[in-house]
Amino acid sequence: AQKITQTQPGMFVQEKEAVTLDCTYDTSDQSYGLFWYKQPSSGEMIFLIYQGSYDEQNATEGRYSLNFQKARKSANLVISASQLGDSAMYFCAMRGSGGSYIPTFGRGTSLIVHP
Amino acid sequence: EAGVAQSPRYKIIEKRQSVAFWCNPISGHATLYWYQQILGQGPKLLIQFQNNGVVDDSQLPKDRFSAERLKGVDSTLKIQPAKLEDSAVYLCASSFGIAGVQETQYFGPGTRLLVL
Repeated sequence: AQKITQTQPGMFVQEKEAVTLDCTYDTSDQSYGLFWYKQPSSGEMIFLIYQGSYDEQNATEGRYSLNFQKARKSANLVISASQLGDSAMYFCAMRGSGGSYIPTFGRGTSLIVHP
Repeated sequence: EAGVAQSPRYKIIEKRQSVAFWCNPISGHATLYWYQQILGQGPKLLIQFQNNGVVDDSQLPKDRFSAERLKGVDSTLKIQPAKLEDSAVYLCASSFGIAGVQETQYFGPGTRLLVL
C-alpha cells in the first residue's frame, strides 16, 4: 500500500518570498511518480509538477521546483517568489507501479500569501 | 483543447434521494477517474476506468454508488440512495495513457453535492 503524508495543515508566506511545502511518502514500489496539484477556492485541481522515482535531477516548472530526496522518501514543493494568486490548497500525490498505478493523495496544505 | 467537463456544478438533495453526475474527459484520453473529496481532506479515488473497462473500484461503496463509461468516452456516477455523509465534491479526471507512473491527471471543476 502507498501513503502520502502532508504534515503542514496551513502555511503563511509573505509575497515575493519562497515557501516549502512538505510531502513524505511510503511505498514498496521501485518505480513511482510524484505529483503536486494546486486547488484554488474554485475547486478545480491544477497540475503543477511531476517527479519520477528514477529521475536524477529535481523537477522544475517555472516558479515551482520539487526537492526530491529519495532516501528520505520526501518530495517537497518549493514555490519561489510567491504571488497572491498562489493562495490555495496544495496536494501531493503519487502513483506506484504496483496495484494498477492507482493514484493516492495527501490531505493537503493550505497556503496563504500575504501582501 | 477543451478540458474535462462536469455537470452539474452544484446539487442539493435530501437523504434517500438519488443523484447522478456526468463527466466528459479530454478528447483522446483513455483513462477516466472519479474522486470523492470531503471537506478538509484530499481526494479519494472511487473508480478508475481504462476505456470502458474498470481498473479499480475497491473504494466505491457498491451498495449505493455505481458508475459507467459505456462507450469509453463520457461517464456517469450515480448515488442511490444518498446519505448525509455523501456530502462532498465529486471530481472527475482523465489521463492520456493506459497505465504508467508518469500519467498526469487533468481534473474537471467538480460537482459540489449537499445532502440534507
